[in-house]
Amino acid sequence: GENVEQHPSTLSVQEGDSAVIKCTYSDSASNYFPWYKQELGKGPQLIIDIRSNVGEKKDQRIAVTLNKTAKHFSLHITETQPEDSAVYFCAVVSWAGSYQLTFGKGTKLSVIP
Amino acid sequence: IAGITQAPTSQILAAGRRMTLRCTQDMRHNAMYWYRQDLGLGLRLIHYSNTAGTTGKGEVPDGYSVSRANTDDFPLTLASAVPSQTSVYFCASRRDMNTEAFFGQGTRLTVV
Repeated sequence: GENVEQHPSTLSVQEGDSAVIKCTYSDSASNYFPWYKQELGKGPQLIIDIRSNVGEKKDQRIAVTLNKTAKHFSLHITETQPEDSAVYFCAVVSWAGSYQLTFGKGTKLSVIP
Repeated sequence: IAGITQAPTSQILAAGRRMTLRCTQDMRHNAMYWYRQDLGLGLRLIHYSNTAGTTGKGEVPDGYSVSRANTDDFPLTLASAVPSQTSVYFCASRRDMNTEAFFGQGTRLTVV
């Protein structure tokens, strides 16, 4: 099945700095790559996604880049704010008898005021 | 109801007891999922359903069963709970394979 590796597991940045989280995947046929943010006591929520026909996507302070050849994709958060503190998960849609969403193990981001 | 709703929010359960976690969505999504979240292990898929009337096993299905009698509901049953099933359980739904998954607020289950 699909194997999704996410790094780092924890990340601390100063407010205003940038944060980068990276994920690699194993199935070259995967074609949908979402990122989720999970705040304490809540379910994950989609913050941005990218499809395999696009190399980069931006939404205000958040961007995702995809390198299909190398099978990795990254989340970039610029001008970080304390409310960005949360756990972030990357995910990959791949075929395993049906189309499944496989998650990385998560990155706990702390933004220090 | 707006979105996807889970019940109960939390539960303490004696080992050996039977328990059903409820999940309902009002978005008419075809696919529904159950994940468990454990510290350091991320979200692991227990069972899924691509459409009403069908179900499938995920990464960690042992000790769990599901049913999908209609589009809206996807209950998860623990037939005889064990302490290793202590976890936070999330239900999710998607319209189709390359669209956003929406998550419920989670059920925190403690088996003692």
